[in-house]
Amino acid sequence: KAGVTQTPRYLIKTRGQQVTLSCSPISGHRSVSWYQQTPGQGLQFLFEYFSETQRNKGNFPGRFSGRQFSNSRSEMNVSTLELGDSALYLCASSPGDGTGELFFGEGSRLTVL
Amino acid sequence: TQLLEQSPQFLSIQEGENLTVYCNSSSVFSSLQWYRQEPGEGPVLLVTVVTGGEVKKLKRLTFQFGDARKDSSLHITAAQPGDTGLYLCAGAPGTYKYIFGTGTRLKVLA
Repeated sequence: KAGVTQTPRYLIKTRGQQVTLSCSPISGHRSVSWYQQTPGQGLQFLFEYFSETQRNKGNFPGRFSGRQFSNSRSEMNVSTLELGDSALYLCASSPGDGTGELFFGEGSRLTVL
Repeated sequence: TQLLEQSPQFLSIQEGENLTVYCNSSSVFSSLQWYRQEPGEGPVLLVTVVTGGEVKKLKRLTFQFGDARKDSSLHITAAQPGDTGLYLCAGAPGTYKYIFGTGTRLKVLA
């Protein structure tokens, strides 16, 4: 079956702009979680959605937000971009039933100039 | 704040050598996972360990979960260039949330 699809794969923005990233999970998976990966901080949890509801969130400022649609596709948005937001943003899908395995997409690499 | 510390941070070895990567925490986890990430890709799950003292083998990879469920190790026997990548441990400190370890970047030279 098709894997997790993230778009766009690469993007460049300038400080102050906003960005929206998209994630299509594996068919049948109802949970989507987002992670930020940087060389200095590693993989950090942003938030997790299940059936259009945010079930948990990490310690990121309110500029980072997300949502999930009825077809389980998810988007995350970062407003008022800062240089430190440059990172690889990874989306992971899972059945959401507690089995725990995360299936990751290839990520969206964001560069903020 | 629950943290997962991995060691070593970097490892460069010759093909055929053995190596061990460690994942340590001061907190107890109900389970720990190991992932491998290759350049330009997302992490891929290697194994999940759930029982204290559990040992799982996946071909040349051996995973162990500490008796107290606070630590885990990954041992690779006769490393190959295809083992090159970033190895990450992950645990769930709460519901529907995973924290990832600091990572071990492995390079196996032919």
